[in-house]
Amino acid sequence: AQSVAQPEDQVNVAEGNPLTVKCTYSVSGNPYLFWYVQYPNRGLQFLLKYITGDNLVKGSYGFEAEFNKSQTSFHLKKPSALVSDSALYFCAVRDGPAGNKLTFGGGTRVLVKP
Amino acid sequence: NAGVMQNPRHLVRRRGQEARLRCSPMKGHSHVYWYRQLPEEGLKFMVYLQKENIIDESGMPKERFSAEFPKEGPSILRIQQVVRGDSAAYFCASSPATGRFVTEAFFGQGTRLTVV
Repeated sequence: AQSVAQPEDQVNVAEGNPLTVKCTYSVSGNPYLFWYVQYPNRGLQFLLKYITGDNLVKGSYGFEAEFNKSQTSFHLKKPSALVSDSALYFCAVRDGPAGNKLTFGGGTRVLVKP
Repeated sequence: NAGVMQNPRHLVRRRGQEARLRCSPMKGHSHVYWYRQLPEEGLKFMVYLQKENIIDESGMPKERFSAEFPKEGPSILRIQQVVRGDSAAYFCASSPATGRFVTEAFFGQGTRLTVV
């Protein structure tokens, strides 16, 4: 069975400071990893994914994520946070190509203060 | 190319009534997933469908819940005899059939079900 853990319920950061949202995963096969963002009363928007290749993945809105196989982690990062980045962030894993369900972590609420 | 369309956006039902939630996937997508999100919680997988087939329903409650994705028309998530605990946001996602290629799933805006 596949699973995802987001150890922090909430992350607070000052605008302009670096932002990190943590994610660890567990899969039996190759991990395919995703980050999504959810704004209030909205659906999920895709940010980025790791399939294979470079461990550092760049995505939308200046976000990037680092895949670390030995630590089974896929932390989301942004060098300089904006107030508008305040939202709910979800990490997800799929243990196979299309046709396998995405399993989501519990979400991390990010609050960026001006 | 329109995104994943869900309707209604908001649905209020009295206890014991039926709720029908609709999802039209993105054009060209043949995989549909339903997720439930309780307030302040993450998304819980419910069911994965392809056209006319249920592929994985491991997250569906054993009773009152059913889903379909007919050859023509949207995918339907049906909840019979709703109870207050069914109040949640229900999200649909779709992805294309890409064989061995891995793609992200695209989500709709969700249907917020309130049972009164």
